[in-house]
Amino acid sequence: ETGVTQTPRHLVMGMTNKKSLKCEQHLGHNAMYWYKQSAKKPLELMFVYSLEERVENNSVPSRFSPECPNSSHLFLHLHTLQPEDSALYLCASSQDREVGSPLHFGNGTRLTVT
Amino acid sequence: AQSVTQPDIHITVSEGASLELRCNYSYGATPYLFWYVQSPGQGLQLLLKYFSGDTLVQGIKGFEAEFKRSQSSFNLRKPSVHWSDAAEYFCAVGAPNYGQNFVFGPGTRLSVLP
Repeated sequence: ETGVTQTPRHLVMGMTNKKSLKCEQHLGHNAMYWYKQSAKKPLELMFVYSLEERVENNSVPSRFSPECPNSSHLFLHLHTLQPEDSALYLCASSQDREVGSPLHFGNGTRLTVT
Repeated sequence: AQSVTQPDIHITVSEGASLELRCNYSYGATPYLFWYVQSPGQGLQLLLKYFSGDTLVQGIKGFEAEFKRSQSSFNLRKPSVHWSDAAEYFCAVGAPNYGQNFVFGPGTRLSVLP
C-alpha cells in the first residue's frame, strides 16, 4: 500500500475544462511535490511545497495552479490545458527538503487533454 | 548543473540471468545518487541511494549499485533477475545545494523473458 494516494487515476478533459488533481500523503512528511512524466522525456519537477509554502516553481505555465492547504494534501488545478499537457502527473512527498530525504511517489494521474 | 544519462533505452534479459543497468552523471563534486523503479501503472519506488562512504550500495529487492567516481557512473546490478523485475528504472542525481531538485535520467525499460 502506497503512503501517497492520488485521485483520480485517469482524467480526460477538453481544453476549455477546469479540473483538479488531488494528492494525499499519510506518512507525516513535510514536503510535497508535483512531477510531470511525459513519453520520451525525463521526469520533470513542477512544484515543491515545504510546510505548506511553495518553495519552488520550475517555470511551469500558469494554466497549472498548485494548492497545498496543509502538509498532508496537495492539489493541482488545471484550466485551459493544451494537448501537449497530456502526461502522467505524479505526486511525491519526503520527510523534508534535504537532498538525502527519499521521495515517496503516488501512482499518478494519467491525464489526457482532447 | 547536474545531468544524467542512461545509455540503454530498453534491455531484455532472461529470467535468472544477471543484470546491469548503466547510469552516467555529470556533476562537479560528489553527487547524491539514486535508483528508482517504476512498475507499470505505478509511481516510482526508491531502490537504493548513495551519499558517501562505501561505494557499493545495497538496496531492496536484491539490487545493488556501485559508485565509480573515475567513470562518473552509478550502475545498478542484480545477480539473478526475476520476472517481477520487469519495469522502468530511473537513475537520479542530486546535489547538496539543489535541495530536492533531482535530475532524473530518461529511464531504462527492462523486459524479462521466461
